Amino acid sequence: QTVVTQEPSLTVSPGGTVTLTCASSAGAVTSSFYPNWFQQKPGQAPRALIYSTSKKHSWTPARFSGSLLGGKAALTLSGVQPEDEAEYYCLIYYSGAGVFGGGTKLTVL
Amino acid sequence: QITLKESGPTLVKPTQTLTLTCTFSGFSLSTNGVGVTWIRQPPGKALEWLALIYWDDDKRYSPSLKSRLTITKDTSKNQVVLTMTNMDPVDTATYFCAHVTTVTTVTDWGQGTLVTVSS
Repeated sequence: QTVVTQEPSLTVSPGGTVTLTCASSAGAVTSSFYPNWFQQKPGQAPRALIYSTSKKHSWTPARFSGSLLGGKAALTLSGVQPEDEAEYYCLIYYSGAGVFGGGTKLTVL
Repeated sequence: QITLKESGPTLVKPTQTLTLTCTFSGFSLSTNGVGVTWIRQPPGKALEWLALIYWDDDKRYSPSLKSRLTITKDTSKNQVVLTMTNMDPVDTATYFCAHVTTVTTVTDWGQGTLVTVSS
């Protein structure tokens, strides 16, 4: 079973920039795995942010961007806002089945 | 506007079979590229992908749970049903369904339903 790994926690100052990554035990993550990124706040359902590596949904704030970085999928937040404090999850597809990462708890401090 | 809502029992006993229904609106499961996926989240833990059914009835399952899961759709009723056999306390989780478009893009989520497995 493929394991997808994210940083367990990160801290960023308001207005700062932070990059979250998503690595696979099966090797480099590429666009062929169609990475999706989600934000989840306590007590809420996840909200989709990014799909197909770098594409934004119509509701995704401009400060969120997706990319591939050093064989990993990456989510970058530029100009972080206090409301960005949340858990972030990546989703990768392997042979048509999805695998979520363990999540990154982002603290804005 | 796309909406999804999960329904089913809140409490099941160990070894029983869980049946959850996702009722949706705002899209059709007969449209090319569209699907509905099920995801769960144990209390305080990470999301876990379970299964996905597409417009053409193609079905995908988590390899680790494949033997226990069945996903079906009723396009006329705008519903997708997930069954999970041989439930165990470790299966206690909030179960979500979500809309999938262009085969791999997860967009809208249901609110989730908490299922507790206990005798």
